[in-house]
Amino acid sequence: DTGVSQDPRHKITKRGQNVTFRCDPISEHNRLYWYRQTLGQGPEFLTYFQNEAQLEKSRLLSDRFSAERPKGSFSTLEIQRTEQGDSAMYLCASDKGGQRANYGYTFGSGTRLTVV
Amino acid sequence: TQLLEQSPQFLSIQEGENLTVYCNSSSVFSSLQWYRQEPGEGPVLLVTVVTGGEVKKLKRLTFQFGDARKDSSLHITAAQPGDTGLYLCAGMPHNTNAGKSTFGDGTTLTVKP
Repeated sequence: DTGVSQDPRHKITKRGQNVTFRCDPISEHNRLYWYRQTLGQGPEFLTYFQNEAQLEKSRLLSDRFSAERPKGSFSTLEIQRTEQGDSAMYLCASDKGGQRANYGYTFGSGTRLTVV
Repeated sequence: TQLLEQSPQFLSIQEGENLTVYCNSSSVFSSLQWYRQEPGEGPVLLVTVVTGGEVKKLKRLTFQFGDARKDSSLHITAAQPGDTGLYLCAGMPHNTNAGKSTFGDGTTLTVKP
């Protein structure tokens, strides 16, 4: 297993276009998380999955954002009608889940989105 | 208001110096993690602390979890240029069900040769 993989690493898009990112977690990890990070800030939670079930979605996330994990393996994050404020690093992470405490995530290298 | 406050925000030191960075909250945490992040990459997990008062060492890095599980510190001895990066603390508040971690905004450390 090569860790958490994210594709693409970089994406430049015009305002108003739709974009989709993919994340492949560590195979034995049940939980998959999406975070967004802007310059000078820590990662901000977007949503997470336990297997194929989306358990929580941030209230900060507009209806333009949607995420899926159809077979409990890889996940996609789609942003519709992108805005300049969506420019950020989108991070995917995974862990085994199923614990009362969080013992830490394995992150991917992220997808850097630039909306022009 | 940030759930986890990290200080200082920026720290620039010379190689060989010691340093301590802090992660504070008014909330109790079930566990707390420290990550290091380099530009253009995702955070990399350094350590998880679970028990109040716990001390963990990782080579020249010493991590401490406060007795009340509300705060943590990271001490680096004899810093090296390779220690340069963004240090993030993260945790899950004790009064929530198992789920997402909340992150602080990090301390950006620069170690000059």
